[in-house]
Amino acid sequence: AQSVSQHNHHVILSEAASLELGCNYSYGGTVNLFWYVQYPGQHLQLLLKYFSGDPLVKGIKGFEAEFIKSKFSFNLRKPSVQWSDTAEYFCAVKDTDKLIFGTGTRLQVFP
Amino acid sequence: NAGVTQTPKFQVLKTGQSMTLQCAQDMNHNSMYWYRQDPGMGLRLIYYSASEGTTDKGEVPNGYNVSRLNKREFSLRLESAAPSQTSVYFCASSTSYYVSGANVLTFGAGSRLTVL
Repeated sequence: AQSVSQHNHHVILSEAASLELGCNYSYGGTVNLFWYVQYPGQHLQLLLKYFSGDPLVKGIKGFEAEFIKSKFSFNLRKPSVQWSDTAEYFCAVKDTDKLIFGTGTRLQVFP
Repeated sequence: NAGVTQTPKFQVLKTGQSMTLQCAQDMNHNSMYWYRQDPGMGLRLIYYSASEGTTDKGEVPNGYNVSRLNKREFSLRLESAAPSQTSVYFCASSTSYYVSGANVLTFGAGSRLTVL
């Protein structure tokens, strides 16, 4: 079965800093990959997804992620974070007929 | 469009009590899921229903039962609650896993359960 690793558990940044959150999945073949975000007190929302095609995926709010097959990775990036990006970020991979989530990365952005 | 609606939002139980979390979606989705979210452990799948009439165990099914009542509704039951089941529970739905590109989950607002 697929699994997902998020190695950054807690990231603290100042506004305007660049962000990269790591995500690795366990094995290859055809993969469907996702990043979800959970703002404080809210439910999870989809940031972006990868199914096929261009490995650089653009999502909402200026986020992007790059699928690197050789590294089994799908890292999330944003060139310049804002205070409003403070949230928990979850990477997820499709495993047959369900989604498997990573343990999440808590991002705190200070003004 | 309400999306995915969960009830109740908050519940406190005593050990050994039973309760049912209700979930309904109005998006005509085929697949529905129950996850629990715990600090440092992310979201873990409890049970899911890939289509009406089917249910399957996820990663952490012990202590739970589910019912896919119809296409819209998917309930999660705790028969005899334990403190280890203190968590935030999320229901989610998606169109279908059998259609490529349709595998996006829409989540409910969550149900916070405390078992004393």
